[in-house]
Amino acid sequence: QKEVEQNSGPLSVPEGAIASLNCTYSDRVSQSFFWYRQYSGKSPELIMSIYSNGDKEDGRFTAQLNKASQYVSLLIRDSQPSDSATYLCAVLLYSSASKIIFGSGTRLSIRP
Amino acid sequence: GAGVSQSPRYKVAKRGQDVALRCDPISGHVSLFWYQQALGQGPEFLTYFQNEAQLDKSGLPSDRFFAERPEGSVSTLKIQRTQQEDSAVYLCASSKDRVTGELFFGEGSRLTVL
Repeated sequence: QKEVEQNSGPLSVPEGAIASLNCTYSDRVSQSFFWYRQYSGKSPELIMSIYSNGDKEDGRFTAQLNKASQYVSLLIRDSQPSDSATYLCAVLLYSSASKIIFGSGTRLSIRP
Repeated sequence: GAGVSQSPRYKVAKRGQDVALRCDPISGHVSLFWYQQALGQGPEFLTYFQNEAQLDKSGLPSDRFFAERPEGSVSTLKIQRTQQEDSAVYLCASSKDRVTGELFFGEGSRLTVL
């Protein structure tokens, strides 16, 4: 089992709709979770961090965390063509305290 | 500097050559990471430094890979006797204090081994 798993996609969503991206992780005691966005040919950039169960909203983005289910998600409301990118889920492993592990990413495409 | 700077941006090496990739993190950032990213994959953890101390090198794929950060700022990733499977983008990231997961990435060094 991989430490962080994501559906590779591509996920195609019409402009203006909600995009939902999912991630599961295996380290049951991890406490810190992150979503990074990576445009083609560019480096990842942090868009959301979440540390507590529940929802965290920032503009059009909402991160959701369920530690009991070991599940993290990212919702993007009012999707725009500029949201087309690969979204990487990342987990700071509690057991290591220094190792941040990334999933393989979900490619999101917003169609006009 | 304003951001994480990596050099060279592109490197073509013949199989068996040694390469060195440089990372200049954001000034004052304590934590520094190296990742390897193959096409279509997520970044794979290689190693982590806190200041000059290499606290985790569990992701280095073989003893041909070596990283250092002697003065706690600039870091170098060295790959000896390169092989074709080493072809990837090598990403460096830094964060300002103990690991928080809020990483700032450089643009990466794309290594192609022929």
